[in-house]
Amino acid sequence: DTEVTQTPKHLVMGMTNKKSLKCEQHMGHRAMYWYKQKAKKPPELMFVYSYEKLSINESVPSRFSPECPNSSLLNLHLHALQPEDSALYLCASSLGGLGTEAFFGQGTRLTVV
Amino acid sequence: KQEVTQIPAALSVPEGENLVLNCSFTDSAIYNLQWFRQDPGKGLTSLLLIQSSQREQTSGRLNASLDKSSGRSTLYIAASQPGDSATYLCAVRGEETSGSRLTFGEGTQLTVNP
Repeated sequence: DTEVTQTPKHLVMGMTNKKSLKCEQHMGHRAMYWYKQKAKKPPELMFVYSYEKLSINESVPSRFSPECPNSSLLNLHLHALQPEDSALYLCASSLGGLGTEAFFGQGTRLTVV
Repeated sequence: KQEVTQIPAALSVPEGENLVLNCSFTDSAIYNLQWFRQDPGKGLTSLLLIQSSQREQTSGRLNASLDKSSGRSTLYIAASQPGDSATYLCAVRGEETSGSRLTFGEGTQLTVNP
């Protein structure tokens, strides 16, 4: 099983809403990632969790708040987003450590209105 | 800062052709390189992973090569099919010790015409 599951698949939210994106994997991977992808652009790294600790934050605005409750789950809490935050949000995982293959979920298509 | 470039940006070929996609990176201090496929509006599907100590990897009709010292990788697709139409992304993993990041190229949009 090489599946990374993201929910919801689509999300429309207003600028004053609070919502969360969820990501789950059961491959025993210890590194999990959030990427943001705008149309016709490559994914851009937002956060990396390694062994449930935040190891990389790519200077992401505080309206995005990641959380890793356990080794299988990764959340991205959203609050007071702007229309320019509309994008495909991708979760990925890898075994951990260097040299391991990354597996991506199908993404959440987020629209901020 | 690592920069990854993919050439060409778009490619249209008739079914059955063999084709080569190119990827170059500026910092040769990489741990591995991964090729992905992305269908419109979907997530990324991993195709091949090449460790920095390897020269090539093969999976079915796909063959990826890596020349780490010159900062280049190629993805060879044999006997292309319409189902191969997608965007192909290459990504390199740096040698950070805490967590690690994948740096992506802009991708090559491939169209295989029946």
